[in-house]
Amino acid sequence: DVHLVESGGALVQPGGSLRLSCAVSGFTVSDNFVTWVRQAPGKGLEWVSVIFFSGATYDADCAQGRFAISRDSSKNIVYLQMNNLRVDDTAVYFCAGGRNGGYYETPYWGQGTLVTVSS
Amino acid sequence: SYVLTQPPSVSVAPGQTARITCGGNKIEGKSVHWYYQKAGQAPVLVIYDDNDRPAGIPERFSGSNSGDTATLTITWVEAGDEADYFCQVWDTSTEKYVFGPGTKVTVL
Repeated sequence: DVHLVESGGALVQPGGSLRLSCAVSGFTVSDNFVTWVRQAPGKGLEWVSVIFFSGATYDADCAQGRFAISRDSSKNIVYLQMNNLRVDDTAVYFCAGGRNGGYYETPYWGQGTLVTVSS
Repeated sequence: SYVLTQPPSVSVAPGQTARITCGGNKIEGKSVHWYYQKAGQAPVLVIYDDNDRPAGIPERFSGSNSGDTATLTITWVEAGDEADYFCQVWDTSTEKYVFGPGTKVTVL
């Protein structure tokens, strides 16, 4: 079975930083891909960032210049470093994974971690 | 940037068929994935690559993709199908994922 568990969400002031973690089991992050998706209260899903098996990373416009996705292959963990946080970054952040060689679908999801940006 | 559109809501009686559309420019050239999400839960993949079902998803769920519209069809709708449904694509030209805004399915 594949399991993804997010952690690191917290209440942070505008301009602050957080690092989210996505611990993965049953699925090798360096052989596949992992994305971060967020959902603001009462809103839809918004893609944030992805890291592929090759190490290539891509970011949504909302993340460019402020967020950075990375991984620790030895620990099978994917991170999302978030800097210069804004009030509109408040959301539940999900990590989701998919198999290399598929169609970029993500069948594996964590339960999410809440990030609240407020003064 | 690539944009996906969905109707905000669809209402359907139990036992009937629900069709949820996902519009995008020449979307037939992309692989469309569908997720449902119940309140307070993580999304669940129900259709990938236009019309394939992951293991454990009932045959009542099917998909199609033609022209500028992809469609998720749920036959023999049950009360448990009530959820928000999102379509998603990977846009190779911009190398970004795109989600549709979501459709709330209400079972009457």
